[in-house]
Parts: sequence; structure tokens; C-alpha cells
Amino acid sequence: NAGVMQNPRHLVRRRGQEARLRCSPMKGHSHVYWYRQLPEEGLKFMVYLQKENIIDESGMPKERFSAEFPKEGPSILRIQQVVRGDSAAYFCASSPGTGDSYEQYFGPGTRLTVT
Amino acid sequence: SQQGEEDPQALSIQEGENATMNCSYKTSINNLQWYRQNSGRGLVHLILIRSNEREKHSGRLRVTLDTSKKSSSLLITASRAADTASYFCARLGGAGNMLTFGGGTRLMVKP
Repeated sequence: NAGVMQNPRHLVRRRGQEARLRCSPMKGHSHVYWYRQLPEEGLKFMVYLQKENIIDESGMPKERFSAEFPKEGPSILRIQQVVRGDSAAYFCASSPGTGDSYEQYFGPGTRLTVT
Repeated sequence: SQQGEEDPQALSIQEGENATMNCSYKTSINNLQWYRQNSGRGLVHLILIRSNEREKHSGRLRVTLDTSKKSSSLLITASRAADTASYFCARLGGAGNMLTFGGGTRLMVKP
């Protein structure tokens, strides 16, 4: 059973370009979480999605950031018109359910560098 | 404000020594989780301790929880160079059941 997969692992974008980060959850997992980690810091929650629904996006910036988890295919985190401050590691996690009985399994992350 | 503040922020020990990391949090919890992150990699779940538990063991790991002090500690016994990593505590909560992480402790184990 493959783990959570993220691609690309590394992404370089110039200021003003768009970044698309993809996350394929573990098989059988319908809950996806995106977290952002700045250098030397812990992870910060961005958004929680189930298939075709955004459940909680309270941690996501209101502008330029969007996320989706379509019925088919991976979850996508999209950052438009990137700025240097968007440089970070973006991690996706998936779980089979919600609540404290369910562990979140993390992907290896996408490291975004904005030049 | 961020839940789960770890201390120390950085810890350097010799192989074979024990490493203790502490985590404090602000609000009530159902459980507290500890994760490890190797440099440049994703997070690995280590152990979950529930609010009605005081201590939990997993191999060389021992986690304690004191809900009256809103604190937890992670002890790694007989450390190895391979234990070098960042360690984070995290609380599960919110409408989305997301994890709220502390800033982490960067552990270096010297061979």
C-alpha cells in the first residue's frame, strides 16, 4: 500500500508565476489536509478537504491560495502570483476518517522556492 | 496563538545518552501526538497519548502527560545517531480535526 504521494518534490517558481502542488492520499483515505512549514518552524494547518468538498480552510490565506480534491485524481493546492514569502515546504496528510481515533499520514512534502 | 510549545528548541547529546523534550499546550485536549521529522523529509507519527493516560511506551520512547500542568514530555532512551531529527508535539482539534503543531525540538545525537 503506497503512502501519501506528493509531487513535485521540489518546485522553483519566479515571482508572479503560479505553483500547483499535487497530493495523492493513501488508498482508501478520503480526508486530505494541507500544512505549510516555514524554515525552522513547525507545521501550520492550511486546509482540510474531503472528496469534492472543502471542510475547513481557516488556515489558508484568503487571496492567491486555493485547494481542491476532485472526485477523481489528486488533491491540488494552487498558489497564484507567488511571492518570496510563499517559499516553504508544503505537506499533505491523509486519513481514513476524522477524530482522534484516526492517524494522519504525511507525504514527503513539496519544497517551493520562489526566486 | 500556536498550541504546543516545545523546549528546548535544540538539544545536542552523545550517543547512548537519554534525550528529554517537553511540550506545553494551552487548551484542553483529547490527545497529544508526537512526530519526528528527519531533515528535508515528511513527518513520521511516533506515539499518541490520550488525555486519560499518564504514560505510554513504544520501544525506546516514553511519553508522559500531565493534564493539570498542560504539559507532555518525550523521552528517548539510549539514543542513537539515527535519532537525529526534529521532534514535534501536536494537538488534534478544531472543526476540521487538524493538527496544531509546536515549534519543535531539534535533536542532534553525536556518534
